[in-house]
Amino acid sequence: EIVLTQSPDTLSLSPGARATLSCRASEIVSRNYLAWYQQKPGQSPRLLIHGASTRATGVPDRFSGSGSGTDFLLTISRLEPEDFAVYYCQQYGNSVFTFGPGTKVDFK
Amino acid sequence: QVQLVESGGGVVQPGRSLRLSCAASGFTFSSYGMHWVRQAPGKGLEWVAVVLYDGKKEYYADSVKGRFTISRDNSKDTLYLQMNSLRAADTAVYYCARLQNFYASGNYAEAFDLWGQGTMVTVSS
Repeated sequence: EIVLTQSPDTLSLSPGARATLSCRASEIVSRNYLAWYQQKPGQSPRLLIHGASTRATGVPDRFSGSGSGTDFLLTISRLEPEDFAVYYCQQYGNSVFTFGPGTKVDFK
Repeated sequence: QVQLVESGGGVVQPGRSLRLSCAASGFTFSSYGMHWVRQAPGKGLEWVAVVLYDGKKEYYADSVKGRFTISRDNSKDTLYLQMNSLRAADTAVYYCARLQNFYASGNYAEAFDLWGQGTMVTVSS
């Protein structure tokens, strides 16, 4: 089973700052099957990025995804107040889906 | 509108059973693989199981294999999760989620694009 590790655990930033979140896989992951989600307290997860770098419908262009192989990034170019949340990466391989442990982006 | 609505959660004693349901509406349910994903209190997301669009194949996380059964009734647009031999570690919010196939610029991708609101399962004596 592919294990996903996310870093940092918590990112403390101010609105307007740039956020860079890392997702590292224990084995090579197909870009087709790497996604990012945002979850706010008390809410269901929301799809942000699929195929490692394609924004989902309605996702602002300040969100971008990149990477390949075992290393992937989610970048938020300028944090808005509504972006403070927990972010998860997720992959699919060999009929098993796994999520990373999440990175919390909170107010500095 | 397009939505998933879970039900069936509650408080159950260790070793007992519970069945969750997820009612789909607003889309062609029978065209999608459907999943259960859970989240223990204060913890991250954990994938639980998937059933393919026609109900003919299922896959499970090791943590629930042999105890949980995922199924679907396409005539009722409903997904199920039968949970047996429940443990305290199964305490979580259980979400149903739709796996969407994306095609863009010659690239193919899959991701969970639609989630229910979740139903809470508490396993406690």
